[in-house]
Amino acid sequence: GAVVSQHPSRVICKSGTSVKIECRSLDFQATTMFWYRQFPKKSLMLMATSNEGSKATYEQGVEKDKFLINHASLTLSTLTVTSAHPEDSSFYICSARSLAGRQETQYFGPGTRLLVL
Amino acid sequence: QKEVEQNSGPLSVPEGAIASLNCTYSDRGSQSFFWYRQYSGKSPELIMSIYSNGDKEDGRFTAQINKASQYVSLLIRDSQPSDSATYLCAVIDRYSTLTFGKGTMLLVSP
Repeated sequence: GAVVSQHPSRVICKSGTSVKIECRSLDFQATTMFWYRQFPKKSLMLMATSNEGSKATYEQGVEKDKFLINHASLTLSTLTVTSAHPEDSSFYICSARSLAGRQETQYFGPGTRLLVL
Repeated sequence: QKEVEQNSGPLSVPEGAIASLNCTYSDRGSQSFFWYRQYSGKSPELIMSIYSNGDKEDGRFTAQINKASQYVSLLIRDSQPSDSATYLCAVIDRYSTLTFGKGTMLLVSP
């Protein structure tokens, strides 16, 4: 299957600072990537859809000014958590949409665990 | 509201048995169907994708779709303790929206 990477895998930061998470599709081009958040023992929650060259589409209840998404190339999307607070501590997972052979599949990155102190 | 429904479980099976995981979806126009496996503390991993009615087999895994009943299943033969995880059913509808079920936890006991 296709490979999606995320960096960093784990980050600890102080309250009030900003954290940037990178998501890369390593062996395919992804015009669309997705950002999810998952709290312990809870389901995946879609935060936003990232489209290359255009603005991200945010799900209801997700603050776009707090979670800044940039999708500047066909292989890279970034999520910046601005002015992070302890309640933002979570597991952030990206996925990338592959359209190989006209069949659509989504591949997930390994996730980034964020801890805000 | 497009929905993908799964029983949260846990589904407990003994080692060597067949585990049967099920999911139903609401959009009759859905085209693509996926099963992901998620180990605790890890991100989901794609294990099966199926795009047409019928069965698809890959090793110990068989995915089945019944579009008339809007029903998707995953069979795991010769279940192993390492198969213990949460299994997520996902469906792409006619509008290319991917929707996940909440997942079924599978526990395979030695």
